[in-house]
Amino acid sequence: GESVGLHLPTLSVQEGDNSIINCAYSNSASDYFIWYKQESGKGPQFIIDIRSNMDKRQGQRVTVLLNKTVKHLSLQIAATQPGDSAVYFCAENRRGSNYKLTFGKGTLLTVNP
Amino acid sequence: NAGVTQTPKFQVLKTGQSMTLQCAQDMNHEYMSWYRQDPGMGLRLIHYSVGAGITDQGEVPNGYNVSRSTTEDFPLRLLSAAPSQTSVYFCASSYGGLAAYEQYFGPGTRLTVT
Repeated sequence: GESVGLHLPTLSVQEGDNSIINCAYSNSASDYFIWYKQESGKGPQFIIDIRSNMDKRQGQRVTVLLNKTVKHLSLQIAATQPGDSAVYFCAENRRGSNYKLTFGKGTLLTVNP
Repeated sequence: NAGVTQTPKFQVLKTGQSMTLQCAQDMNHEYMSWYRQDPGMGLRLIHYSVGAGITDQGEVPNGYNVSRSTTEDFPLRLLSAAPSQTSVYFCASSYGGLAAYEQYFGPGTRLTVT
């Protein structure tokens, strides 16, 4: 069954606000978590990843938080812009699976001007 | 660099026909993968390769074959197309090791099987 899932299928925010996209996982053997962004009609684009031995990782305007106790991760986007409108996927890699990724179903983020 | 290229962009097949989806990358990446994306679903791994001459099955390999004779190319063959294979297909590539998680995706091939 699906082991990587999203709490909400859609999220709508105002331009300039912060966005938080959530993801749950069920497999304790998950070692790496990755966030991808997919704009309409395009292939996914890597955003940021985090290893299971970390709690937080920051990139440019994005932060990923990992809570292993409740098997939850989130992607925070600061000062959301219209160009951030896309579907966001979390993906996991399980230890020993030779870098194979399992993707969640995605959250559609809409940024309102 | 062209990155990851896929051809064709669109394809319509009749049930039972065979075809090959092409994928090429010019970044000298070790890893290459094929995914399919169905409406409302995430991407599902079909086959992947960790280097020339090495391929392995992913989550949904049935009905598909792959080979990797060069680092650059990773074609996906549909042996006998079925309506259930109607989907958008993405090819991806990455460096090996821990950089394997930063995958570069092609623009996709939209396949319809009637």
